[in-house]
Amino acid sequence: NAGVIQTPRHKVTGKGQEATLWCEPISGHSAVFWYRQTIVQGLEFLTYFRNQAPIDDSGMPKERFSAQMPNQSHSTLKIQSTQPQDSAVYLCASSLDSGTEVFFGKGTRLTVV
Amino acid sequence: AQSVTQPDARVTVSEGASLQLRCKYSYSATPYLFWYVQYPRQGLQLLLKYYSGDPVVQGVNSFEAEFSKSNSSFHLQKASVHWSDSAVYFCALLNTGNYKYVFGAGTRLKVIA
Repeated sequence: NAGVIQTPRHKVTGKGQEATLWCEPISGHSAVFWYRQTIVQGLEFLTYFRNQAPIDDSGMPKERFSAQMPNQSHSTLKIQSTQPQDSAVYLCASSLDSGTEVFFGKGTRLTVV
Repeated sequence: AQSVTQPDARVTVSEGASLQLRCKYSYSATPYLFWYVQYPRQGLQLLLKYYSGDPVVQGVNSFEAEFSKSNSSFHLQKASVHWSDSAVYFCALLNTGNYKYVFGAGTRLKVIA
C-alpha cells in the first residue's frame, strides 16, 4: 500500500498560467477529499468526491478552480489563471468510506510567481 | 455550526516531560474526533480516533486522548515526549451529517533537550 500519491510534489507556475494537480487515492477507497493548507488560513476544505461523484465543492473558489474524478484511481485539481494567493500546499486525502478516518498524501506545494 | 479550537498555537516542552495538547469542539451531536500529526514536508498522519465508548483512546507512539462530552474537549496527552515528537498536531471533527472534516488550526510542538 503506497498510500495516497500526489504529483507533482512541487510546482512553480507563472501568474496567469494553469496548474493541474494529480491525486491517486488508496485503492478501494470510495471517498476523496482535497484541502488547501496555508500558514494564514490553515487547512481549508475544497471539495469531496464519493464513488467518483462530486458531493460537496463548497470550499472551491468558484471562478478558477475545478476538480474532477474521471475514474476511481485518480482525481485532478485544476487551477486556471493562477494568482500569487493560490500559492499553498494542496493536500489530497482518501477514506474507505465517508465516515472513517482519512489518509493524506504528502501534498503538492504550488508556488505562483 | 461545528468548529474545532486548538487554543495553543505553539507548545514547547523538554524531552522526557509530559505533554497535553488541548482541543475544544463545538458540535450538536456526538462527534467523531481525531488527532493527526504533520511532520515537515509530509501529509497528515492519524494518531488516534474516537467514535464512541471508552472516552480514553490509545493511539500510536504512546499518545492517548480523552473525550469529555461535558467539557466538549478531546485533549491529547503523552507521558514522556521524545525529540522526534516535534511536529504540528491537528485536532479534527467529522460532521456525520455531511461527512466533512473540520480541522483546528494546529499546535506546533517543539521538544527541547
